[in-house]
Amino acid sequence: DSGVTQTPKHLITATGQRVTLRCSPRSGDLSVYWYQQSLDQGLQFLIHYYNGEERAKGNILERFSAQQFPDLHSELNLSSLELGDSALYFCASSVPLDGEQFFGPGTRLTVL
Amino acid sequence: GQQVMQIPQYQHVQEGEDFTTYCNSSTTLSNIQWYKQRPGGHPVFLIQLVKSGEVKKQKRLTFQFGEAKKNSSLHITATQTTDVGTYFCAGHSQWFNDMRFGAGTRLTVKP
Repeated sequence: DSGVTQTPKHLITATGQRVTLRCSPRSGDLSVYWYQQSLDQGLQFLIHYYNGEERAKGNILERFSAQQFPDLHSELNLSSLELGDSALYFCASSVPLDGEQFFGPGTRLTVL
Repeated sequence: GQQVMQIPQYQHVQEGEDFTTYCNSSTTLSNIQWYKQRPGGHPVFLIQLVKSGEVKKQKRLTFQFGEAKKNSSLHITATQTTDVGTYFCAGHSQWFNDMRFGAGTRLTVKP
């Protein structure tokens, strides 16, 4: 158990819908990262928040947005969902900006 | 696109054979990390290298950081079936101001 929690574990929805994925970092970790992992693919970096502020953006679509709240939990919002958005979404947290990342168990999103 | 390149993408070995995965960056890295993701699991941190030319060992795993801090390797001696998974490197660079993961090397081990 990494100490990072993600909800929900599984999500099945239809094209065109909007979903919100939630991540709670380890206690004390200020950084939250979001990654997308499609079937048999690598980790695509989406976005990084540090202490409530957006730190870096990766290959995140305009239909996707994220935020980190004052209690440091983070949400990833995916809208106008397409079949190709089906993937495993991981969040990870760390203490320093370049430190070890602790990954949550992931949310598996299926878009039908 | 990926700023940290990792090869090979796949590696199939017979149990007992050695395995190596390589990571290369176009920019100098301040550190490099290695992660392992078991099938159906999430990435788990293995190690971090910071110094130029650094070599670290964990039992049968040997990690190296290049002298120019632009490349790294993970070598597993005498693979076992428990080594199965995808190995990712992740580098931090002031150039991209964040951590970037390589595409990963998926290792399968035939008993």
